Amino acid sequence: GAGVSQSPSNKVTEKGKDVELRCDPISGHTALYWYRQSLGQGLEFLIYFQGNSAPDKSGLPSDRFSAERTGGSVSTLTIQRTQQEDSAVYLCASSRGLAGSDTQYFGPGTRLTVL
Amino acid sequence: DQQVKQNSPSLSVQEGRISILNCDYTNSMFDYFLWYKKYPAEGPTFLISISSIKDKNEDGRFTVFLNKSAKHLSLHIVPSQPGDSAVYFCAAILSFDNYGQNFVFGPGTRLSVLP
Repeated sequence: GAGVSQSPSNKVTEKGKDVELRCDPISGHTALYWYRQSLGQGLEFLIYFQGNSAPDKSGLPSDRFSAERTGGSVSTLTIQRTQQEDSAVYLCASSRGLAGSDTQYFGPGTRLTVL
Repeated sequence: DQQVKQNSPSLSVQEGRISILNCDYTNSMFDYFLWYKKYPAEGPTFLISISSIKDKNEDGRFTVFLNKSAKHLSLHIVPSQPGDSAVYFCAAILSFDNYGQNFVFGPGTRLSVLP
């Protein structure tokens, strides 16, 4: 398939552990976005990459969150010392150009549960 | 303080009729607005977007209208189909230097199209 893929699909972890979430965007898409949706909440923007660069990281909820993208392709979102409030579905999307002028395609998400 | 509001948490419409989903925003600097559809347990699907310099964008059964003076946009679905039943999120994009983008989402409106 040529869509956006995310792994793992589900992750259960204990409070205080680190987790790493992976996103494989559609080939050739330069823009990559991370969002999350907590239970019963709306969508929350986390970070956006243009190529390998994230112009602004202020959307990340705390300094326990970090993200990187290498080779203009795969991106990883890392959460250190997870807390229960980090439990959410983490969504990745990619687009050829900037969102708004180009269609975004979403992955199926990673459901993170912190016990 | 919500920058993007969707004041109707839910909406029910008869199949074949028009669905109108509303969204209000507060920041006049937003330069793109997007609508997403989300089914339960799936990632969001991008539907349609509109640039802040336009007042209408149409794509098949979906039309988005933007009223900048009122800071209001609406999504019209005509004719509504049962498969349109989903949660619809309005989002606004703030672009800044070096290809930066920041997203603000509304809380969503659950649309039910009744057969």
